Amino acid sequence: DIQMTQSPSTLSPSVGDRVTITCRASQSISIWLSWYQQKPGKAPKLLIYKASSLESGVPERFSGSGSGTEFTLTISSLQPDDFATYYCQQYKSYPLTFGGGTKVEIK
Amino acid sequence: EVQLVESGGGLVQPGGSLRLSCAASGFTFNTYWLGWVRQAPGKGLEWVANIKQDGSETHYVDSVKGRFTISRDNDKNSLYLQMNSLRAEDTAVYYCARHLPSYKTFDYWGQGTLVTVSS
Repeated sequence: DIQMTQSPSTLSPSVGDRVTITCRASQSISIWLSWYQQKPGKAPKLLIYKASSLESGVPERFSGSGSGTEFTLTISSLQPDDFATYYCQQYKSYPLTFGGGTKVEIK
Repeated sequence: EVQLVESGGGLVQPGGSLRLSCAASGFTFNTYWLGWVRQAPGKGLEWVANIKQDGSETHYVDSVKGRFTISRDNDKNSLYLQMNSLRAEDTAVYYCARHLPSYKTFDYWGQGTLVTVSS
C-alpha cells in the first residue's frame, strides 16, 4: 500500500499569510494526487487533482505542485474561509489512500 | 446540480448488518465510477470501496474485504454498501462520492451518514 504523509499536522497562520502544506508518498505516484478541503461537519471538497489542476470553481489562491513522491499545496494569501483541514489523496494504485490531514487553525 | 444523498446509517450491534444507500441526481449516473469513503469520529478519511460504471469491477480496502459489498442500480440512480459482520472500528460517517472522469479522485460528495457499531 502507498502511505501518504502530510506535514505539518497543524498550522496557525494569520489572514493574508502564504501557507504551504506538504504531502509525501511512500513510493512514486507520478502526478496522481489530489487535495481536499474539509470543514467541521461537512463533506470534503476537491481543490486540486492531477497534482496541479485546479478544480472548477476553486479560487486561484490555491495551487498544487510536485510529482513523484513530494507534493505541496499552497494558499497564496490565506482568507478567513480557508481555515479548515486539508487532505491529500493518491490514486496511482489501490487501495486509494489519504494523508492524515493538516488542520489550518486561526492564530 | 449534482446531488448525492446517503441514507441507512444508524446504531447496530457488533456482528450485525446494515445497508447504506446513496441516491444520485443531476448527472448521467451510469457514466461514472462511484465510491464510499468513511471517516471515524475525529479521524481522517479512509477510502472503503468503489465500483465501475456497469458494476463489472469493484475494489475494496483490505479491512472490509469479505464483509462489505458495493453495488449499484443504474435504473434507480442508486449506489449501495451492504455491510456485514460489523465491528466497532467500522464506526464512522460514510460518504458516497463520485469519481472524476478518468481519475480515481472524488469530485462530488454526499453529506454523509453515521454508522455506529456498539452494544
